[in-house]
Amino acid sequence: EAAVTQSPRNKVAVTGGKVTLSCNQTNNHNNMYWYRQDTGHGLRLIHYSYGAGSTEKGDIPDGYKASRPSQENFSLILELATPSQTSVYFCASGDVGYEQYFGPGTRLTVL
Amino acid sequence: GQGVEQPDNLMSVEGTFARVNCTYSTSGFNGLSWYQQREGHAPVFLSYVVLDGLKDSGHFSTFLSRSNGYSYLLLTELQIKDSASYLCAVRDAGGRALIFGTGTTVSVSP
Repeated sequence: EAAVTQSPRNKVAVTGGKVTLSCNQTNNHNNMYWYRQDTGHGLRLIHYSYGAGSTEKGDIPDGYKASRPSQENFSLILELATPSQTSVYFCASGDVGYEQYFGPGTRLTVL
Repeated sequence: GQGVEQPDNLMSVEGTFARVNCTYSTSGFNGLSWYQQREGHAPVFLSYVVLDGLKDSGHFSTFLSRSNGYSYLLLTELQIKDSASYLCAVRDAGGRALIFGTGTTVSVSP
């Protein structure tokens, strides 16, 4: 069965600190995605990737970087975290764009 | 601009039905997906439609009208466990990713 895992599951960071969220998938999917979910906004796309070595900007990329070092791993990096980045972050994978498999989410709080 | 709109909440009764509406406005259209998300959990794929009409998948059915930018998810014979948020998501012409609505929270009471 498809499996997408995320770490950490919960994270508290300080303003100005660096945060790295990790995602691993065992589906062998080419495409991977990072979303954030906030009340009133739904899921919003931050970055995505078509394969190892590629990253593309989504709808809200400002303040975030992404890295796809391998087929299985996709990271989201906040170089200088701000309180406005407090959210729940979901990673997803999928070879067919309309069907994506989501990880369990990471709850990030920036103080 | 592009957008996907859904009502915030919908209440219904066990054993009856619920219809979750979705309207969209996107630059091009490459299909529409429905996801279920339980509180504190990740979204789970339910259905995908790209052609007009009703697609019957048993407990869940989906309808699409591309000319009206409208879809609905129909949940029949509701059970308490169907209480969840239902997300509508549209692939635009580029097909690169999904544009999600904010979700409709369906509450099923006994």
